Amino acid sequence: AQTVTQSQPEMSVQEAETVTLSCTYDTSESDYYLFWYKQPPSRQMILVIRQEAYKQQNATENRFSVNFQKAAKSFSLKISDSQLGDAAMYFCAYGYSGGGADGLTFGKGTHLIIQP
Amino acid sequence: DTGVSQNPRHKITKRGQNVTFRCDPISEHNRLYWYRQTLGQGPEFLTYFQNEAQLEKSRLLSDRFSAERPKGSFSTLEIQRTEQGDSAMYLCASSSLLGTGGADTQYFGPGTRLTVL
Repeated sequence: AQTVTQSQPEMSVQEAETVTLSCTYDTSESDYYLFWYKQPPSRQMILVIRQEAYKQQNATENRFSVNFQKAAKSFSLKISDSQLGDAAMYFCAYGYSGGGADGLTFGKGTHLIIQP
Repeated sequence: DTGVSQNPRHKITKRGQNVTFRCDPISEHNRLYWYRQTLGQGPEFLTYFQNEAQLEKSRLLSDRFSAERPKGSFSTLEIQRTEQGDSAMYLCASSSLLGTGGADTQYFGPGTRLTVL
């Protein structure tokens, strides 16, 4: 069974600074996707960024980028120029992509606090 | 694209009652998923539909839980004889092989928060 581990229950960063959230996963599969989702307080889960395992290039979306290390099974999220609106729970998720879709496996989340 | 919608947003019920939640996916998405999220945890996958076919249901939490997607559009999740341990947020997500966010990227609804007294 796949597992996803987020070892940082809470992170704090000053506004405009850069922060990195960690995620490791365990799988025996070679075809999979990895995601970071953001869940603001009392609001719905929003996709931040997605990475296909077969791609060597790290995904980027504006101020958000990932460091995907397939051999180490590591998938960290870097948020540059942090903004107050980035405050939320961030979840790392794994999805198997071979042989059809399936449910995602999520980590327990990292609570990101942005200090003004 | 109006996003995934879920109704009701909140449900309070007494132990032993049955409850049903509805999910309307993004209109062009043929895949639909249900998750449960308890406080302080990430979502936990429950079941998955491709069109009207339920392709994965082994992770439904007990036989009190059931889901349907009768015409391949909206879906319902029913919990019979609710227990206090069923109190949680129930999330629905949808995806498509041709989704603009990438194949099978799941987009989530706002959830239904269930409180069992």
